[in-house]
Amino acid sequence: GAVVSQHPSRVICKSGTSVKIECRSLDFQATTMFWYRQFPKQSLMLMATSNEGSKATYEQGVEKDKFLINHASLTLSTLTVTSAHPEDSSFYICSARDRAVNTEAFFGQGTRLTVV
Amino acid sequence: KQEVTQIPAALSVPEGENLVLNCSFTDSAIYNLQWFRQDPGKGLTSLLLIQSSQREQTSGRLNASLDKSSGRSTLYIAASQPGDSATYLCAVNNQGGKLIFGQGTELSVKP
Repeated sequence: GAVVSQHPSRVICKSGTSVKIECRSLDFQATTMFWYRQFPKQSLMLMATSNEGSKATYEQGVEKDKFLINHASLTLSTLTVTSAHPEDSSFYICSARDRAVNTEAFFGQGTRLTVV
Repeated sequence: KQEVTQIPAALSVPEGENLVLNCSFTDSAIYNLQWFRQDPGKGLTSLLLIQSSQREQTSGRLNASLDKSSGRSTLYIAASQPGDSATYLCAVNNQGGKLIFGQGTELSVKP
């Protein structure tokens, strides 16, 4: 299957700082990427839909000013957690689709964010 | 609003057993359904994708079925192995490519 690369896999940051997570589709073009958040022992919750060249669409309850998403090219989307707090500590995962809506979703390896 | 439920939440079986994981969803207007595997602290590995027009998909020892009208899918694992131990997630795609996930079934296969 297609490869989605997410970086970094782990990051520890201090409260108040910002952290950027990258999601790349390595062998296909993704007009749409999705960002999910997963708390321990829980399922994935969709945070936002990232569309190439336009603003991201955020799910209800997700602060767009706190979780900045940029999708500048067909192979790269970034999620920036701004002014991080300990409650932002979580596992963040991106996914990408190969253009068509109905095709298989491929996921990155995830990023474990710990805010201290 | 689409809701996805997986039962059981956890399952422990001896090596070699065949097993079935269940997934149900409330809105049958789906594009497709996907089964994933997640190892602890890792991302998701796609196992099987079933389009809404299909009834089942097979890959090796895995077989996934879909009954869209009743809002159900099952993942059948034949001859389970310790390496199958992981959390299995099902997710439905019914709006613009967004996946709605179930809570997962944590599988443990004992040698």
